[in-house]
Amino acid sequence: GAGVSQSPSNKVTEKGKDVELRCDPISGHTALYWYRQSLGQGLEFLIYFQGNSAPDKSGLPSDRFSAERTGGSVSTLTIQRTQQEDSAVYLCASRSPGVLVGYTFGSGTRLTVV
Amino acid sequence: EDQVTQSPEALRLQEGESSSLNCSYTVSGLRGLFWYRQDPGKGPEFLFTLYSAGEEKEKERLKATLTKKESFLHITAPKPEDSATYLCAVQPMGGNNRLAFGKGNQVVVIP
Repeated sequence: GAGVSQSPSNKVTEKGKDVELRCDPISGHTALYWYRQSLGQGLEFLIYFQGNSAPDKSGLPSDRFSAERTGGSVSTLTIQRTQQEDSAVYLCASRSPGVLVGYTFGSGTRLTVV
Repeated sequence: EDQVTQSPEALRLQEGESSSLNCSYTVSGLRGLFWYRQDPGKGPEFLFTLYSAGEEKEKERLKATLTKKESFLHITAPKPEDSATYLCAVQPMGGNNRLAFGKGNQVVVIP
């Protein structure tokens, strides 16, 4: 596609429910990142996928968070047993092969846990 | 730990009133410094990459500069459409090319 596509754009869920957020990166971009942006905070790194390598999960805040990337393309971020502190904008970004190319971000999914 | 601090947090400018945004950073070896623009409800939009001290890049009314400790984003004769949050990020040497972001500079340009 022309850009990074994320769905849904908005999600309201009840505390304790599981949610899945989807990211469709730019075709040909081998690197994919998930970040979280909370109100008044900078973007927080969550997880990184590069080709067929094992993902870097070092930014995931708890074991309730997981992500997968199927076929080197679409990625899904899953949050189990959501808590109110999970409310944030979840941003996905992809990057073409090449070390110093700026990421291209999607528009994000705004998650509200009530 | 890599750190990025942006100041001021918020800035109101009259149209045509030039100003500068500051991004101070500490990083264990800088691979690159990035500036992004973010509009409400949108993802960050890439503006510039700077690689080494002394480097400058320009785009329309924006000019980014880099020293060994900080970067400036100069906005010359701003227009209302320059209103946005400007994000600074650093990419350290090695690792997985993740970026460490500051909290942003929120700029409002008043007609």
